[in-house]
Amino acid sequence: GDSVTQMEGPVTLSEEAFLTINCTYTATGYPSLFWYVQYPGEGLQLLLKATKADDKGSNKGFEATYRKETTSFHLEKGSVQVSDSAVYFCALMSTNAGKSTFGDGTTLTVKP
Amino acid sequence: GAVVSQHPSRVICKSGTSVKIECRSLDFQATTMFWYRQFPKQSLMLMATSNEGSKATYEQGVEKDKFLINHASLTLSTLTVTSAHPEDSSFYICSARSATARGVEQYFGPGTRLTVT
Repeated sequence: GDSVTQMEGPVTLSEEAFLTINCTYTATGYPSLFWYVQYPGEGLQLLLKATKADDKGSNKGFEATYRKETTSFHLEKGSVQVSDSAVYFCALMSTNAGKSTFGDGTTLTVKP
Repeated sequence: GAVVSQHPSRVICKSGTSVKIECRSLDFQATTMFWYRQFPKQSLMLMATSNEGSKATYEQGVEKDKFLINHASLTLSTLTVTSAHPEDSSFYICSARSATARGVEQYFGPGTRLTVT
């Protein structure tokens, strides 16, 4: 079945540091890939997505590129802020079933 | 973007009682909705897929008689936790699938925090 493997956390960075959170997936067919962010006590917010190979999703300074050859969708940001502290989930959605499979989540803490 | 709401956002109930959680798609019709459960500091676990007008499809290990799902309309799905116990305390998140010309999208509700005392 489908699966998503995320870089284990927690990740602690200083403000303005470079962020990478690795994500790899296993799926049949050509899934869509997503990054979601969850702030404490809240639901999931879509951060960015990519629907086909070589697509780059971007939002609020975050980027991720759909790499079919390496089955990866790594999240990057050039300069993190304290307000980026949250839990980040990588996910895929199979086009057939339309349901999502999530990674375990990576907790990011950014210190001033 | 599309909006999915959940009600209530928080609920505290006594052991042995039942609790109903509503999930609504506010500005689109959703033939399919999903119910997830999230334990503290863990990922989302899919509980069931809810299809409008038909029975829900439950994931392996999820008790269908305990977690009753009803999807009576294209904008509303409900999850009822029957005879709740403290181990049912969790964060429940629903999502709704929207199929448009741009493709299939999934939108998440804000979640419901259930505490069973």
